[in-house]
Amino acid sequence: EAQVTQNPRYLITVTGKKLTVTCSQNMNHEYMSWYRQDPGLGLRQIYYSMNVEVTDKGDVPEGYKVSRKEKRNFPLILESPSPNQTSLYFCASSLRQGGNTIYFGEGSWLTVV
Amino acid sequence: AQTVTQSQPEMSVQEAETVTLSCTYDTSESNYYLFWYKQPPSRQMILVIRQEAYKQQNATENRFSVNFQKAAKSFSLKISDSQLGDTAMYFCAFMKPPTSGTYKYIFGTGTRLKVLA
Repeated sequence: EAQVTQNPRYLITVTGKKLTVTCSQNMNHEYMSWYRQDPGLGLRQIYYSMNVEVTDKGDVPEGYKVSRKEKRNFPLILESPSPNQTSLYFCASSLRQGGNTIYFGEGSWLTVV
Repeated sequence: AQTVTQSQPEMSVQEAETVTLSCTYDTSESNYYLFWYKQPPSRQMILVIRQEAYKQQNATENRFSVNFQKAAKSFSLKISDSQLGDTAMYFCAFMKPPTSGTYKYIFGTGTRLKVLA
C-alpha cells in the first residue's frame, strides 16, 4: 500500500530537548516536504527536498533542520524546540513531475512545554 | 508571489443539499494546478479533486465538482447531496510546475464545513 509514514504521531516534550520526527515513503517519490498546520494559518511549508541530498527552505524554516540521505526518508529535526513550535506537522511526498498529487502522512501532534 | 485565499472560515449545510466553497488565487503563471483537499476530524489530508489550468473543462469526482474560472482566478468546490461524512476542513491548494528548482504547493487557510443532519 502506498503511504507516507510519520513517527511519532503524538509527542509532548520540553523546551530545548532535541527531537526528530521521522518520515518515510514507499512510492519512490523524488519530492518530499514538511508542513506545519496552525489554526487560521492553513498549512505552511517548512522545508522541502527535490531529491537525495537536495533540500531547501520553505516559508517557515526557522528552528528546524532536515536531511535527505536516502530517497525514502526525510526526517524533521528540532534542535532546541520552543513552545511556538507546538503544532500539527505533516510530511508529504510526490513525484517530481508537475501537477502530481502530494500524498500526506497522518500528521504528528507536537507539544512543547 | 502566489497566494491562495479562502474567504469562508466556516460553513454549514443540511444533509442532502448542495454547498459551494470558494477559493481565489493570485498568480502570473499560465500553467499551474489546483487542488481541493479534505481534512476530516482524523486530521488525515485527503485529495478531493484536482484541476489542470490548461484544461477548460471543470473537473468532477462523483458528488464533487469545481467551477474553474481562470480569468477570474477562482476555483470553487461544489459538493452535491451533502453527507455527514463530508464534515471536514477543506483546503484549496495551488501548485506551480517546477522551474529553476522551485516546486511548491501553496495552501489556503481552510474552510470548516459542517453537514447538519
